[in-house]
Amino acid sequence: DGGITQSPKYLFRKEGQNVTLSCEQNLNHDAMYWYRQDPGQGLRLIYYSQIVNDFQKGDIAEGYSVSREKKESFPLTVTSAQKNPTAFYLCASSIGQGARQPQHFGDGTRLSIL
Amino acid sequence: QQQVKQSPQSLIVQKGGIPIINCAYENTAFDYFPWYQQFPGKGPALLIAIRPDVSEKKEGRFTISFNKSAKQFSLHIMDSQPGDSATYFCAASTNQAGTALIFGKGTTLSVSS
Repeated sequence: DGGITQSPKYLFRKEGQNVTLSCEQNLNHDAMYWYRQDPGQGLRLIYYSQIVNDFQKGDIAEGYSVSREKKESFPLTVTSAQKNPTAFYLCASSIGQGARQPQHFGDGTRLSIL
Repeated sequence: QQQVKQSPQSLIVQKGGIPIINCAYENTAFDYFPWYQQFPGKGPALLIAIRPDVSEKKEGRFTISFNKSAKQFSLHIMDSQPGDSATYFCAASTNQAGTALIFGKGTTLSVSS
């Protein structure tokens, strides 16, 4: 079955530590996205990528980094510079970007601080 | 101008009721308005979407009403069921390459039996 796989489902970070969240899709989609979800805040865009080896900052990119070396993969690193990383992180993909493209979401990674 | 304002934040209805969730926007360049449904611990899933050239779209018990002049759109759930209890997000985007969906802050719906 085609879909988006996020791992791990739960992740714990120590102070000063970088952690990487995995996102893999087998939908052959060009565009991929990372969102952060906090209670009452909706989905806020962190980074997005329209094509391999290219990505753009979203609304809340500070303290995060991404890479897009393969079409199927779009890992997100939460760096120690992100002072409030506790949140539910969602990865999504779409056939293209803009032009009324529906986004398909993974089931998220919940990150907590130890 | 990039915001999508969603209300109410939470909603409780009895089984069989018709909950209505409203969204408003300012950017007249938006031309795609999807709604997503999210269950706890899961990612959002596309429920229904509308384009501004129609005023209403129905899919099963879910209906989107769109008012272009007022820059508002709403989701109605007919004959609501306890299984509809979830968080609902409206969103909007333009047709411009390189842009992403703008999401509302969500509405948590509880349908009591």
